[in-house]
Amino acid sequence: GAVVSQHPSWVICKSGTSVKIECRSLDFQATTMFWYRQFPKQSLMLMATSNEGSKATYEQGVEKDKFLINHASLTLSTLTVTSAHPEDSSFYICSARGSGRSFYEQYFGPGTRLTVT
Amino acid sequence: EDKVVQSPLSLVVHEGDTVTLNCSYEVTNFRSLLWYKQEKKAPTFLFMLTSSGIEKKSGRLSSILDKKELFSILNITATQTGDSAVYLCALVPGAGSYQLTFGKGTKLSVIP
Repeated sequence: GAVVSQHPSWVICKSGTSVKIECRSLDFQATTMFWYRQFPKQSLMLMATSNEGSKATYEQGVEKDKFLINHASLTLSTLTVTSAHPEDSSFYICSARGSGRSFYEQYFGPGTRLTVT
Repeated sequence: EDKVVQSPLSLVVHEGDTVTLNCSYEVTNFRSLLWYKQEKKAPTFLFMLTSSGIEKKSGRLSSILDKKELFSILNITATQTGDSAVYLCALVPGAGSYQLTFGKGTKLSVIP
């Protein structure tokens, strides 16, 4: 089966610093990757969609300058939370979809829990 | 306003009980409805429903979609403690998009 990894799984950072989260597809090429955010007791909210080699498409209300997404290769996408604040503390999950795969085959990473102090 | 509404939000049952989880939606132009199980980490895929009235089964889990009444149900029979999780439904919108819209989920707790 398709495996998606995320790193780190948990990060604590100080307010004002930047944090980078990696999302990797381990055994397939991910033409599209999605970044979600999940607050406690809330559902997954799509933040942005990234296609390899092109700029990410952000959902309404998501600040593109604050959440920088880079999808530089077919197996790696990164999300950088710049100048993090406590309200950015959340669970960030990526999913990846391979080329030629049907639309429901989005494979989710294990998630990254970000705590900003 | 939420486009995908799940009910109940939380449910506690005893092992062996049968549960029915509901997912109603407002969007009419969509390709499929998906069900996921989320334990402590990322969601895992359960079912994809595209056609109305056709039941999908996997072991003790089954699901069906009613496009006329705009809802789907997920049934779990003979529940086990390992079924404890948050169950999410999501809509896949129209052609050309892969962006899922999730409901808030139903938290199921199965106690021995």
